[in-house]
Amino acid sequence: EAGVAQSPRYKIIEKRQSVAFWCNPISGHATLYWYQQILGQGPKLLIQFQNNGVVDDSQLPKDRFSAERLKGVDSTLKIQPAKLEDSAVYLCASKLLAGGTDTQYFGPGTRLTVL
Amino acid sequence: AQRVTQPEKLLSVFKGAPVELKCNYSYSGSPELFWYVQYSRQRLQLLLRHISRESIKGFTADLNKGETSFHLKKPFAQEEDSAMYYCALSGQAGNQFYFGTGTSLTVIP
Repeated sequence: EAGVAQSPRYKIIEKRQSVAFWCNPISGHATLYWYQQILGQGPKLLIQFQNNGVVDDSQLPKDRFSAERLKGVDSTLKIQPAKLEDSAVYLCASKLLAGGTDTQYFGPGTRLTVL
Repeated sequence: AQRVTQPEKLLSVFKGAPVELKCNYSYSGSPELFWYVQYSRQRLQLLLRHISRESIKGFTADLNKGETSFHLKKPFAQEEDSAMYYCALSGQAGNQFYFGTGTSLTVIP
């Protein structure tokens, strides 16, 4: 079974530029998460999708971050414009079921550096 | 509000010694608790969840609702246990997922 795929693996941009990250979850997984992990901290949930609908985006900075999962499969996370404090690893995870106890499977992450 | 607290950023133990990684949480209602692990150069992965009451790789964790704790324990640490460990919490509906700041465990040969 193929795991969660993310691209690119690394990205370096200057502040005020835009950037997009892509995630392909495990086939058949209805729930998809985007996390931001700043160095030295645990992952912070940005947005959770159930199929193509948003379940929770309470911690997403909506003035600059956006995410979509149009067909309920792949997802993109965009930052426009980027700030220095957005430097972090962006993790995508998916799980089969919507319930609380199901296992989340994580991708390798995209390391973003904003200069 | 801090949902999950892991007081130790770094923890070192000798091989064969017992190990305990502390986790305390705050959440109204009945949360689901998890331990996730990240080995060097690998992806973050689930180690165990409280509802399963299972032992994985010799690790166990008991949910103590009175003390709002979910400490991870292993009686005899092995070198391969060296990794980053994250305690995590979710609501019963599967949303509102919170991770602690993590504890880096080093097992000294």
